Amino acid sequence: QKEVEQNSGPLSVPEGAIASLNCTYSDRGSQSFFWYRQYSGKSPELIMSIYSNGDKEDGRFTAQLNKASQYVSLLIRDSQPSDSATYLCAVNVRGGGNKLTFGTGTQLKVEL
Amino acid sequence: EPEVTQTPSHQVTQMGQEVILRCVPISNHLYFYWYRQILGQKVEFLVSFYNNEISEKSEIFDDQFSVERPDGSNFTLKIRSTKLEDSAMYFCASSVPDTSNTGELFFGEGSRLTVL
Repeated sequence: QKEVEQNSGPLSVPEGAIASLNCTYSDRGSQSFFWYRQYSGKSPELIMSIYSNGDKEDGRFTAQLNKASQYVSLLIRDSQPSDSATYLCAVNVRGGGNKLTFGTGTQLKVEL
Repeated sequence: EPEVTQTPSHQVTQMGQEVILRCVPISNHLYFYWYRQILGQKVEFLVSFYNNEISEKSEIFDDQFSVERPDGSNFTLKIRSTKLEDSAMYFCASSVPDTSNTGELFFGEGSRLTVL
């Protein structure tokens, strides 16, 4: 069973702080890793993708991948109340076409 | 910005009835998908579709489910005889053909199905 694990939270951070979201995956054949943001009652919105070990930065977001530890994380700098949402980690396994396996998501609350 | 559109946004049906959910993927995308999310649970893969045929399906996608691309723009999910446990948000997604299988999927806003 290919699993993607996330802490469900909620993770509460004050406005302006760094939010750190973590995800582990079980299948070493995983090749592509994604972070989606999902507001309550809405669809997942792609915010970051990462394919190789290391860091990838896009604006206030940084994705970090460590394939040896089977770990991917998302850092959100200068957190804003509008960042309050559930963050879904999704993994694409080699040979799995474009099928994504999602984690349960971490709920982030950014407090004023 | 191009987007995936889905109709209806919400459908209420009686158990045992047939339901068709419709999707218009992004125009230059060639891979299409259906996912579902039961309230409070994770997003689950149902089926992927490429070159007018199913490329992969999950164990959820049993004989009650079917997909079709009836014309050049629409992609549909049919549930033949709905069950209470089919109540969920159904998301259509599409992606650009990519030999590296990078899997950047773009989701529609979803169709909420309520089975009574």
